[in-house]
Amino acid sequence: DIQMTQSPSSLSAFVGDRVTITCRSSQSISNYLNWYQQKPGKAPKLLIYAAISLQSGVPSRFSGSRSGTDFTLTISSLQPEDFATYYCQQSYSTPQTFGQGTRVEI
Amino acid sequence: QVQLVQSGAEVKKPGASVKVSCKASGYTFTGYYIHWVRQAPGQGLEWMGWINPNSGDTNYAQKFQGRVTMTRDTSMSTAYMELSRLRFDDTTVYYCAKDMCTYGVCYNYVYWGQGTLVTVSS
Repeated sequence: DIQMTQSPSSLSAFVGDRVTITCRSSQSISNYLNWYQQKPGKAPKLLIYAAISLQSGVPSRFSGSRSGTDFTLTISSLQPEDFATYYCQQSYSTPQTFGQGTRVEI
Repeated sequence: QVQLVQSGAEVKKPGASVKVSCKASGYTFTGYYIHWVRQAPGQGLEWMGWINPNSGDTNYAQKFQGRVTMTRDTSMSTAYMELSRLRFDDTTVYYCAKDMCTYGVCYNYVYWGQGTLVTVSS
């Protein structure tokens, strides 16, 4: 199985901060990387798919990038509603696997 | 609008089985794969498998092979996930999710059910 390693596991930030979350895959997955946001008691919400594509309706302060097997989710200006846990997911091969999550505290 | 509505919470004894339903509406049920993903309390996400509602074909994660069965009823636009020989560590929230791709699988999930908590307790 492909292992997805996220860092950091948690972070504290202020409203307006630029926040970066990294996900590293254990092998090449091309651009088959998605990012989800999950709030307590809710299902995950797709933010970014195919590493860099913003899902419809998602604010443009969210963006994704890739460098080899390293993927980054950036929130350009953190908002209060961005308090959540963020997960990366590889959709390259079965079983598709998720990172362990990054908790963002405001 | 697209909705996935799951059945309610369940409490089961170890060794029993549980069947969770996922009723779809707002789109062509047979056009999109349904996936099942679970999440233990305070833990990460774990993919269990998918079903092609059009053909009934399934693909299960190896971890659940032999214990999970995914089925569908196209007349009711409903997918089902049955997990047998339940263990204490099967106490998790189970989600169904609709694949983004039409008549194919790409493992991108825009629409999710609300989740069903299954508690395994003696």
